[in-house]
Amino acid sequence: QKEVEQNSGPLSVPEGAIASLNCTYSDRGSQSFFWYRQYSGKSPELIMSIYSNGDKEDGRFTAQLNKASQYVSLLIRDSQPSDSATYLCAVREGAQKLVFGQGTRLTINP
Amino acid sequence: DTEVTQTPKHLVMGMTNKKSLKCEQHMGHRAMYWYKQKAKKPPELMFVYSYEKLSINESVPSRFSPECPNSSLLNLHLHALQPEDSALYLCASSQEGLAGETQYFGPGTRLLVL
Repeated sequence: QKEVEQNSGPLSVPEGAIASLNCTYSDRGSQSFFWYRQYSGKSPELIMSIYSNGDKEDGRFTAQLNKASQYVSLLIRDSQPSDSATYLCAVREGAQKLVFGQGTRLTINP
Repeated sequence: DTEVTQTPKHLVMGMTNKKSLKCEQHMGHRAMYWYKQKAKKPPELMFVYSYEKLSINESVPSRFSPECPNSSLLNLHLHALQPEDSALYLCASSQEGLAGETQYFGPGTRLLVL
């Protein structure tokens, strides 16, 4: 199985700062990448998908993909306490399977 | 609307019981998924149905039996489970089960096996 690596954290960021979450993957042929947010006791919720090299912005969230270096990152600007959650990086394997990283636990401190 | 619903929200069962988990989506999606998630771990894929046919079984023990009665419904039948099967069971769906599609997750069923 292909591997997806994330720093498990916890990552602690002050409110209003930029939170930076990183993910590396082993399969150079991977084409589809996803960031999910999961609050404690809840199910994963899609934050962003990215397929092309470069940046993709959606509100306070920016996903960055670098296929040559095999990493994908998520930046959260103006971090809020409500952003405190576990962030899961997922990479498509084959047509239907998502391979998840272990998740990074993010805490935003007021 | 990207809603996937799951029932029940919580389930407690003994090791000799038979129970079923239900998942429903009305987004017209043709691929549906079952995942299992243990505490502080990522979701692990169990089964994939594509166009109502089982397309992936990740070597799941036979005490878990999936069923897809129609394109909107997905069931997971449980029988003779073990305490280590206690977990959050997540259902997801995507448009056609093709590469690049987003999978949308339901709220999950939290299962406790005694």
